[in-house]
Amino acid sequence: DQQVKQNSPSLSVQEGRISILNCDYTNSMFDYFLWYKKYPAEGPTFLISISSIKDKNEDGRFTVFLNKSAKHLSLHIVPSQPGDSAVYFCAASASYTGGFKTIFGAGTRLFVKA
Amino acid sequence: NAGVTQTPKFRVLKTGQSMTLLCAQDMNHEYMYWYRQDPGMGLRLIHYSVGEGTTAKGEVPDGYNVSRLKKQNFLLGLESAAPSQTSVYFCASSYSGGVQPQHFGDGTRLSIL
Repeated sequence: DQQVKQNSPSLSVQEGRISILNCDYTNSMFDYFLWYKKYPAEGPTFLISISSIKDKNEDGRFTVFLNKSAKHLSLHIVPSQPGDSAVYFCAASASYTGGFKTIFGAGTRLFVKA
Repeated sequence: NAGVTQTPKFRVLKTGQSMTLLCAQDMNHEYMYWYRQDPGMGLRLIHYSVGEGTTAKGEVPDGYNVSRLKKQNFLLGLESAAPSQTSVYFCASSYSGGVQPQHFGDGTRLSIL
């Protein structure tokens, strides 16, 4: 049972245009969401996050939108650059008494064409 | 600035062999994690630790053991390797849990024949 789903395995975008990566989750207990970026032969690196009390968080070219009612979040990259070509993982975190749980999606591979 | 270092980077094992993957972090993080990444499956948590001397099971713990004898090190052991454990293994650390971003190593590619 995949609690965090990234339904698009890959996405191709022209340089300078907007890239939109989507993520859906099923557990309403998730209260914090993170995006990680991964280049080949490297580990994932943290990109941007959002708390469930917000619906938008922006950091430079990267914006994450959260729609709690739809259990959906998206990462927008504007403008897209060839260096953004990587695999993007969505992660959802839930805190509970005595611990927490973080679940990662399967990732979306973004290709930005020059 | 090393961050999170994983040793080795590549390894090929025969079924039934044992080995230990080492993870070291120099950020004084309390929390450490071991994940495996398989095609189409994302990152799945194997075991984690919330501090020196502690360990806990994650999503897919069977066939693995871990130890956190020192705060900076987190070891992942395979006692009797199986082909199903062929994967890329990532270690990560974070200051605390939940909302804190995790810092990842570059991974260990493990093949079991």
